Amino acid sequence: NAGVTQTPKFQVLKTGQSMTLQCAQDMNHEYMSWYRQDPGMGLRLIHYSVGAGITDQGEVPNGYNVSRSTTEDFPLRLLSAAPSQTSVYFCASSREGTYNEQFFGPGTRLTVL
Amino acid sequence: KNQVEQSPQSLIILEGKNCTLQCNYTVSPFSNLRWYKQDTGRGPVSLTIMTFSENTKSNGRYTATLDADTKQSSLHITASQLSDSASYICVVSLGYNNDMRFGAGTRLTVKP
Repeated sequence: NAGVTQTPKFQVLKTGQSMTLQCAQDMNHEYMSWYRQDPGMGLRLIHYSVGAGITDQGEVPNGYNVSRSTTEDFPLRLLSAAPSQTSVYFCASSREGTYNEQFFGPGTRLTVL
Repeated sequence: KNQVEQSPQSLIILEGKNCTLQCNYTVSPFSNLRWYKQDTGRGPVSLTIMTFSENTKSNGRYTATLDADTKQSSLHITASQLSDSASYICVVSLGYNNDMRFGAGTRLTVKP
């Protein structure tokens, strides 16, 4: 099992550009989520999905879109990048249910100039 | 407000020594509390998960405790190793929708 994979590992964008961060998992997990991690702060939930075709907003959803067409993939789209979106982005997956272990990907470090 | 506060922010210890990291939370409704280890440049990795009824849980040299009455948890690391150098994150799950609140973490450095 590869677990949770994310691409790219690093990305530099200019303000206003758009891009998609890729996330895939091979554990057949129902629940997938995207977080951002900023210095001195805890991870914050951007969007999450409880299954294919179902997505919902987290704590900081503005400026981001997601879709879940398959169980395996959960891409995160930045519509028009802003410097405030400079951060490290983590994708995670788990079985549905509040007690299940959550597995994180290696992260994508995004810089918006 | 649902918050998770960790202390200290950073800690330096010598290899072989023990240490204890603290986590206080105001999250409600409480479902479970998790401790994660995050190496530099990597994603967090789960160490322990405890429910309301569990007071302690161990994972090798890591032992987590939970006092649900005072809303406090601690992570004790025994006989530290250089590989323990990482950030340790306390996470509290609310009782619905996989909703979780993350602490900012404690940065631990173990020196030889």
